[in-house]
Amino acid sequence: GENVEQHPSTLSVQEGDSAVIKCTYSDSASNYFPWYKQELGKRPQLIIDIRSNVGEKKDQRIAVTLNKTAKHFSLHITETQPEDSAVYFCAANGYYKLSFGAGTTVTVRA
Amino acid sequence: GAVVSQHPSWVICKSGTSVKIECRSLDFQATTMFWYRQFPKQSLMLMATSNEGSKATYEQGVEKDKFLINHASLTLSTLTVTSAHPEDSSFYICSARDYGQGAEETQYFGPGTRLLVL
Repeated sequence: GENVEQHPSTLSVQEGDSAVIKCTYSDSASNYFPWYKQELGKRPQLIIDIRSNVGEKKDQRIAVTLNKTAKHFSLHITETQPEDSAVYFCAANGYYKLSFGAGTTVTVRA
Repeated sequence: GAVVSQHPSWVICKSGTSVKIECRSLDFQATTMFWYRQFPKQSLMLMATSNEGSKATYEQGVEKDKFLINHASLTLSTLTVTSAHPEDSSFYICSARDYGQGAEETQYFGPGTRLLVL
């Protein structure tokens, strides 16, 4: 099945700086890659997703890039703000389900 | 759109009792719902896939007789933890696919149910 690895596990950035989280996947048939943000005790919220026919997608301060050849995709958050502090999960679709990375705890220092 | 609700939000029960958790898609029909379990500081672990009108598909290592799943309608799936024990204490989250959006892979999550078994 699909195996998703996510790095780093923790990330601390100064407010206003950028944050980058990287994920790799194993199944070359995967074609859908969502990113979720989860605040403590709350549900994961879809923040952006990308499909394999697109190399990059941007939504305001958030962008995702996909390299299908290398089987990796990344989340970029620019101009970080304190409310960006949360756990971020990447995922890739397998046969009928999503496989999630281990998560990255992002802390934005004021 | 694409709102998923879950009930109850938290439950405390005695060891040996059963607990039922409901997952509802409020503004769309979900032929497929997923049940996850999440331990503190860990990722989402898929327990089973719930299909409307058919038996659920359980992930390896998940006991189907302990975690009973019923998906009787296009908007409701239930997870029953039978004979709960302290090790079943966890955060249980459901998700649903909104096929109507045309993005069939997108999953929307419920708010989760925190279960504490004493």
